[in-house]
Amino acid sequence: EAQVTQNPRYLITVTGKKLTVTCSQNMNHEYMSWYRQDPGLGLRQIYYSMNVEVTDKGDVPEGYKVSRKEKRNFPLILESPSPNQTSLYFCASRRDSYNEQFFGPGTRLTVL
Amino acid sequence: GDSVTQMEGPVTLSEEAFLTINCTYTATGYPSLFWYVQYPGEGLQLLLKATKADDKGSNKGFEATYRKETTSFHLEKGSVQVSDSAVYFCALSASNTGNQFYFGTGTSLTVIP
Repeated sequence: EAQVTQNPRYLITVTGKKLTVTCSQNMNHEYMSWYRQDPGLGLRQIYYSMNVEVTDKGDVPEGYKVSRKEKRNFPLILESPSPNQTSLYFCASRRDSYNEQFFGPGTRLTVL
Repeated sequence: GDSVTQMEGPVTLSEEAFLTINCTYTATGYPSLFWYVQYPGEGLQLLLKATKADDKGSNKGFEATYRKETTSFHLEKGSVQVSDSAVYFCALSASNTGNQFYFGTGTSLTVIP
C-alpha cells in the first residue's frame, strides 16, 4: 500500500530535550515536506526537500532541522524544543512539483 | 507572492443542502490547484485536483473548476451528508517555486441530520 508513515504519533516531552520525528514514504517520490498545523493558522511549511541531500527552508524553519540522506526518509529534528513548538506535525511527499501531496497521519507534539 | 484565500468558517448545513466553499488564489505562472479534506483526528487526504485552466476536478460528489479569469477554484457539492463533516483546505502548487505548496486556512464543515 502506498503510504507516508510518521513516528511517533504522539509525543510529550520537556523543553530542551532533543527529539526526532521520523517520516518514510514508499512511493519513490522525489519531493518531501514537513508542515505544522496550528488552530487559526492552517498548515505552514517548515522544510522541504526536492531530492536526496537537497533541502530548503519553508515558511517557519526556525528551531527545526531536517536531513535527506535516503530518498524514502525525511526526519524532522528539534534539537532544543520549546513550548511554542507544541503543534500537530505532518510529513508529506509527492512525485513532482505538478502533482498532489500525500500526507502522513500526523504527529501530535506537546513540549512542556 | 503566491497565496490562497479561502472562505472563513465554520459552516453548518443540514443534510442534503447545497455546499459551496469559496477559494481564490494569487499566483505567477500556471499553478495546479487542489482540495484536501481532513476528517477529525486524521491527516489530509486529496479530494480533487485540477492542473490547468478550465479543468474540472471531481470526486465523491464534490466538484471544483479551475477558473483562470476569476482566479478561483470553488468547491461545490449538490447534497451534503453527515459523513462530509470535516475541514476542507484549498491548496496551490506553483511549479516555478520549487516545492512550495500553499494552503488556505481551512473551512470547517458540520452537517447536521
